[in-house]
Amino acid sequence: AQSVTQLDSHVSVSEGTPVLLRCNYSSSYSPSLFWYVQHPNKGLQLLLKYTSAATLVKGINGFEAEFKKSETSFHLTKPSAHMSDAAEYFCVVRFRRAGNNRKLIWGLGTSLAVNP
Amino acid sequence: EAGVAQSPRYKIIEKRQSVAFWCNPISGHATLYWYQQILGQGPKLLIQFQNNGVVDDSQLPKDRFSAERLKGVDSTLKIQPAKLEDSAVYLCASSLDLVRGQPQHFGDGTRLSIL
Repeated sequence: AQSVTQLDSHVSVSEGTPVLLRCNYSSSYSPSLFWYVQHPNKGLQLLLKYTSAATLVKGINGFEAEFKKSETSFHLTKPSAHMSDAAEYFCVVRFRRAGNNRKLIWGLGTSLAVNP
Repeated sequence: EAGVAQSPRYKIIEKRQSVAFWCNPISGHATLYWYQQILGQGPKLLIQFQNNGVVDDSQLPKDRFSAERLKGVDSTLKIQPAKLEDSAVYLCASSLDLVRGQPQHFGDGTRLSIL
């Protein structure tokens, strides 16, 4: 079965410290992977995506993620948290299906709090 | 480029009333999605269009929800009649097409409150 698991529902860090948001997937096929961010009362914004090119992907706002096939993981990191990073983060995986459609599976989200 | 436009931003109705939401995707995007996001949860796909055809509506409660994209551009999502559990943010997204790796671009959503 294909699935996405965000291992932490809440993460709290201090401003200026590193951020790690964890995401694991389960699939028989090579997926496409995305991280989205959602600030309060806002729509979802794409942070970065992995589509079988370089395994280390750099995104906006200083975030990056590394695709590790052996660990079926796509963890999101940032070296130094900023207050404006406080938001909900979603890991999304696109699995291959029959035909041209690509099923999207959304993680349940990780709420990131940044303390001054 | 202009982003995905949605209206209205907020809507308050009583249960059993009808409501409609509108979405204008990014120009040239063939694929359009409607999501329901209940407070504290991730988005749930309701329906996916490729041009004006439905690709996936397996999670759309068809007894009360309907959606159309008649000319393959903008789309409307309707709820009739509304129930209390329909209180949520309704997000519209678009992407270039169904090709692997194309990301979705989201609008700011419509927040629906059912009294």
